[in-house]
Amino acid sequence: NAGVTQTPKFQVLKTGQSMTLQCAQDMNHEYMSWYRQDPGMGLRLIHYSVGAGITDQGEVPNGYNVSRSTTEDFPLRLLSAAPSQTSVYFCASRFAPDRGADTQYFGPGTRLTVL
Amino acid sequence: AQKVTQAQTEISVVEKEDVTLDCVYETRDTTYYLFWYKQPPSGELVFLIRRNSFDEQNEISGRYSWNFQKSTSSFNFTITASQVVDSAVYFCALTDMNRDDKIIFGKGTRLHILP
Repeated sequence: NAGVTQTPKFQVLKTGQSMTLQCAQDMNHEYMSWYRQDPGMGLRLIHYSVGAGITDQGEVPNGYNVSRSTTEDFPLRLLSAAPSQTSVYFCASRFAPDRGADTQYFGPGTRLTVL
Repeated sequence: AQKVTQAQTEISVVEKEDVTLDCVYETRDTTYYLFWYKQPPSGELVFLIRRNSFDEQNEISGRYSWNFQKSTSSFNFTITASQVVDSAVYFCALTDMNRDDKIIFGKGTRLHILP
């Protein structure tokens, strides 16, 4: 198993540009989520999905869109990048949402800089 | 509301000393899970432990030990005989099983082990 994969690892954008951060997992996990990590702020939940076709907002959803057309993929879209979105983004997955004890697996992260 | 507080922003200890990282949580739920994650300088997030709210037994894994006390809503992490490789940011986290199992992270404690 490759686990949770994220692409790209690094990205530089100009203000106003759009892009999609890719996340995929091959563990047949139903639950997937996106976090951003900023200095001194820990990890904050952006969006999450409890299964294909179902998404919901987390703590800091503004400026981001997600979709979940397949179990494996959970892309995060920045519609119009802003410097405030400069951060490290982590994708995570685990088994069904009612199995809260299951380990959440994290991807390696995407470091995004918006100029 | 749920909350995880890691009051220690940064700690420095000399190698071989013991160190305890504090974690205090807030939740209205009677069923929940607590986690610790390690983020070494390489940036990935490494799962260390989970504990459910019904199990207050302390756990020891090698040089790591965890003290869960529901009476004080704390889930502290102790590293015995610290090593330079323990230098990392450590995150405490809480799962709310009644809200789609979202995981709420503390802001992290940066641990420096000095040689």
